[in-house]
Amino acid sequence: SQQGEEDPQALSIQEGENATMNCSYKTSINNLQWYRQNSGRGLVHLILIRSNEREKHSGRLRVTLDTSKKSSSLLITASRAADTASYFCAADTYGNNRLAFGKGNQVVVIP
Amino acid sequence: DTGVSQDPRHKITKRGQNVTFRCDPISEHNRLYWYRQTLGQGPEFLTYFQNEAQLEKSRLLSDRFSAERPKGSFSTLEIQRTEQGDSAMYLCASSLDGVTEAFFGQGTRLTVV
Repeated sequence: SQQGEEDPQALSIQEGENATMNCSYKTSINNLQWYRQNSGRGLVHLILIRSNEREKHSGRLRVTLDTSKKSSSLLITASRAADTASYFCAADTYGNNRLAFGKGNQVVVIP
Repeated sequence: DTGVSQDPRHKITKRGQNVTFRCDPISEHNRLYWYRQTLGQGPEFLTYFQNEAQLEKSRLLSDRFSAERPKGSFSTLEIQRTEQGDSAMYLCASSLDGVTEAFFGQGTRLTVV
């Protein structure tokens, strides 16, 4: 069964705007990661946040983690047309080697 | 290219036929994973290898599916007697021990007609 569920499912924004998407999960996690997938291609790792971290930045990406609410958010600032993709959160749990992915968030950045 | 490579990229097969996919992970990665992804969904875990040992299998991996990693390097995923429900993108990923970040290949898209 899938661990993460992203919200909203689809987002359409103008270039230069910020895009925010959320992910919720069901059980205690070890790490939470965000991946990007361009249409019909493999997944690209974006950022990992550990369960003892609350916020992490990487370039134009900002991820937050709230373990009390079992939720994470991904913010993409100053979006570009090239950010158009599906974004997935994935969680792993202690002692478990598999990643449990959410259903994904489709983001369309309009030039 | 030193990333994860998968072959073939696309496969169309008739129902009932057997298919085999190959994954070449990043060379120093000892962990290898197979996932399946259907349209509009996130990837679902199928199986995991540490070196040549298959350590974990999902219940999604029916007895028609078999995966091997004979020398701890490349891996193959075979589906016997394919069904239309097997149509999906099959993704391979690899990672280092103790590192959760996984590097994914471009996937093999299987269409069963």
